[in-house]
Amino acid sequence: QVQLQESGPGLVKPSQTLSLTCTVSGGSISSGSYYWSWIRQPAGKGLEWIGRIYTSGSTNYNPSLKSRVTISVDTSKNQFSLKLSSVTAADTAVYYCAGAYSSGWCDYWGQGTLVTVSS
Amino acid sequence: NFMLTQPHSVSESPGKTVTISCTRSSGSIASNYVQWYQQRPGSSPTTVIYEDNQRPSGVPDRFSGSIDSSSNSASLTISGLKTEDEADYYCQSYDSSNQDWVFGGGTKLTVL
Repeated sequence: QVQLQESGPGLVKPSQTLSLTCTVSGGSISSGSYYWSWIRQPAGKGLEWIGRIYTSGSTNYNPSLKSRVTISVDTSKNQFSLKLSSVTAADTAVYYCAGAYSSGWCDYWGQGTLVTVSS
Repeated sequence: NFMLTQPHSVSESPGKTVTISCTRSSGSIASNYVQWYQQRPGSSPTTVIYEDNQRPSGVPDRFSGSIDSSSNSASLTISGLKTEDEADYYCQSYDSSNQDWVFGGGTKLTVL
């Protein structure tokens, strides 16, 4: 059973870069045809897709965040990562990592990690 | 990108049937699969329907999904409502023109 776990700082200062890592266990990040994804949810609001990376390394990003987002994968550590630059209070949210199929179906979700942007 | 519009909230009594809609703003709802996720407070989303009408193992057959091209919408129907079904429900689809994923705004289901 594939499991995902987010990790990273819970507090980031405005204008700095938010960095999170998702560790995949129970399977190889390189196997199968998964799209490894990041999704966020501000408190009391809905889900927002941030972007995804395929096992080949190709990426797709939400157009509204594209200029600030980088998603990468480290197959040796079975991890993938999110970097979001120039953060503001509007980036405060619970950030989820997920494993999805090409249809967009997010089959696996991490437990989520709260990131607060504040000085 | 297109938008997926859901009702903000719905409510129904235990044992009854409720349907939650998800309307696509442009392009055909049938052109890309629709998923439905259930999210209880403080928890990660879980899938109740994938690829329009498929149920993951472990999801009761009280949950069903459908697509209606005439209204350009997808629907999640929950029959025999239980208090444990009270949660937020999100639809999600894929924009094949730019490979973006799109989530609906979510619907809060109250079972009272």
